[in-house]
Amino acid sequence: DAGITQSPRHKVTETGTPVTLRCHQTENHRYMYWYRQDPGHGLRLIHYSYGVKDTDKGEVSDGYSVSRSKTEDFLLTLESATSSQTSVYFCAISNSGTDAVETQYFGPGTRLLVL
Amino acid sequence: AQSVTQPDIHITVSEGASLELRCNYSYGATPYLFWYVQSPGQGLQLLLKYFSGDTLVQGIKGFEAEFKRSQSSFNLRKPSVHWSDAAEYFCAVGPYNTDKLIFGTGTRLQVFP
Repeated sequence: DAGITQSPRHKVTETGTPVTLRCHQTENHRYMYWYRQDPGHGLRLIHYSYGVKDTDKGEVSDGYSVSRSKTEDFLLTLESATSSQTSVYFCAISNSGTDAVETQYFGPGTRLLVL
Repeated sequence: AQSVTQPDIHITVSEGASLELRCNYSYGATPYLFWYVQSPGQGLQLLLKYFSGDTLVQGIKGFEAEFKRSQSSFNLRKPSVHWSDAAEYFCAVGPYNTDKLIFGTGTRLQVFP
């Protein structure tokens, strides 16, 4: 299994509070991703990173920001959490190799409840 | 725009029966195709992937998938389902030379003894 950890694994917070989720990898992979998983929507990309300090938006980036100051860590921040951000959040990693599209490997997920 | 459709939200099979999960994609060229499995409370695990070559791809846990260009499909199959196969299955497409995957909405598989 790819060395990916997410913290916290579960979090309950209140509307309007900031929340930061952490993804940590030990694989030295170049790419890191944040997804959210909601019933009926599958996985939707929030933000991704293609290197230290290099990030880009996904399809559902509103209300989220990210930072990557080290290869191994990718942080997802909800500046002011809303109930619509209640979800399960997954981090994924992939590496740049010989394939035009690289396989992504997923972390265990963080379950976030915004009250 | 690229998209992935998994027409079946929920499938129920008996243990030992055969299984086919459907996946259709919309993409102008030959895509990179993936199947992932997610057990309850877990992350996603790669079952198999298709990049090129033989259109019948073997994966882990006895699964296989067949790429059919004419039907824009990449259906997942298993000849005999085990109770431990109960999970949610996601099909994904990776447009050529991108860093991103597009996921289907998933199919939940229930296995009865």
